[in-house]
Amino acid sequence: DIQMTQSPSSLSASVGDRVTVTCRASQAISNNLNWYQQKSGKAPKPLIYAASNLQAGVPSRFSGSGSGTDFTLTISSLEPEDFATYYCQQSYSIPWSFGQGTEVEIK
Amino acid sequence: QVQLQESGPGLVKPSETLSLTCSVSGDSIRSYHWSWIRQSPGKGLEWIAYIYSTASTNYNPSLERRVRISLDLSKNQFSLRLLSVTAADTAVYYCARDLAVAGQKYYFDQWGQGTLVTVSS
Repeated sequence: DIQMTQSPSSLSASVGDRVTVTCRASQAISNNLNWYQQKSGKAPKPLIYAASNLQAGVPSRFSGSGSGTDFTLTISSLEPEDFATYYCQQSYSIPWSFGQGTEVEIK
Repeated sequence: QVQLQESGPGLVKPSETLSLTCSVSGDSIRSYHWSWIRQSPGKGLEWIAYIYSTASTNYNPSLERRVRISLDLSKNQFSLRLLSVTAADTAVYYCARDLAVAGQKYYFDQWGQGTLVTVSS
């Protein structure tokens, strides 16, 4: 099974900050990497698919990059509605697997 | 707009079977893969299984012995059965659509709201 490791597990940031979340796969997964945002009590919402493609309706301040084993989610300028938990997920091989999440908190 | 809605008991006794159904509206289930995913405080998000309209399936090996996934094309629904549950199976269960893009790259583009299932006597 492919293990997905996110860092950091949590971070504190202010509105307007640039935020970067990292996801590392235990083996190469090409660009089969997706990012989701989850707010308390809600289902995860897709942000980025295939490493760098923005889901329809998602603001352009979100971007993704990477290939192989190392991936990054960047929020260029944090907005109040971006405080949430972010998950990466690989779809390279079964079983699909998720990172443990990164909680973005208000500083 | 595709909508997914989970339904089923919120409380299941240990050793019994957890049964959930996902009702899909706004699109036919014939054309996509459909997954079950769960989220518990101890294990985070865990993919359980998917099914395709041909009834082909794929399971998480960690649960494969206890999981059954099926679909009902006439009702536009798919279902999950998890056998011999324990407290460790307490979680929020989500159904989701596995969308294939850019040459068989999958992601979960539509999710149900989730349903909490508690395993307790």
